[in-house]
Amino acid sequence: GESVGLHLPTLSVQEGDNSIINCAYSNSASDYFIWYKQESGKGPQFIIDIRSNMDKRQGQRVTVLLNKTVKHLSLQIAATQPGDSAVYFCAENRAGGRLVFGKGTKLTVNP
Amino acid sequence: EPEVTQTPSHQVTQMGQEVILRCVPISNHLYFYWYRQILGQKVEFLVSFYNNEISEKSEIFDDQFSVERPDGSNFTLKIRSTKLEDSAMYFCASSESRVREQFFGPGTRLTVL
Repeated sequence: GESVGLHLPTLSVQEGDNSIINCAYSNSASDYFIWYKQESGKGPQFIIDIRSNMDKRQGQRVTVLLNKTVKHLSLQIAATQPGDSAVYFCAENRAGGRLVFGKGTKLTVNP
Repeated sequence: EPEVTQTPSHQVTQMGQEVILRCVPISNHLYFYWYRQILGQKVEFLVSFYNNEISEKSEIFDDQFSVERPDGSNFTLKIRSTKLEDSAMYFCASSESRVREQFFGPGTRLTVL
């Protein structure tokens, strides 16, 4: 079957700490992955993406790591801020453009 | 910054009624999508649309659902006879290509009574 899932449903961190959110995927043929942030009552917001020919990509305060051997993605957020509190989804881009989302990890940043 | 817009933000309807959810994708995007999210669950793909036809649809997207791009800017999702289980957030998304990031609208909350 197909699935993109997350290891932890919730993550609580202190402001200023680094956060790591994990994701496992099952389709070894997938070649494009995206992390989205969803705040309460809003649509998913694009954070960062990575293609399968890379194992690391950095953005502003965020880094995505891809391990194709074990079919694992992670999102690292540096110096986590209260505004980072949200649900984070990884999504796998399938043929045709269809995104398969994981269940989501709720990140809570404590001041 | 260009963004995807959706109307209405909240739609309440009676079971069996037809609803049309509207979206205005980002203007230079060519690929359009509908997703839904039942409360507390993950986002699920419904349908993708390109070149005025459906590219792919999920098993959720049965005969009660249809999509249309009636003009150069709007993209609509119609549910012909709503069921209680259609209650969800419906998100429209658009992208420049199949393998580029998809930008999501704010969603329409559909409540079927």
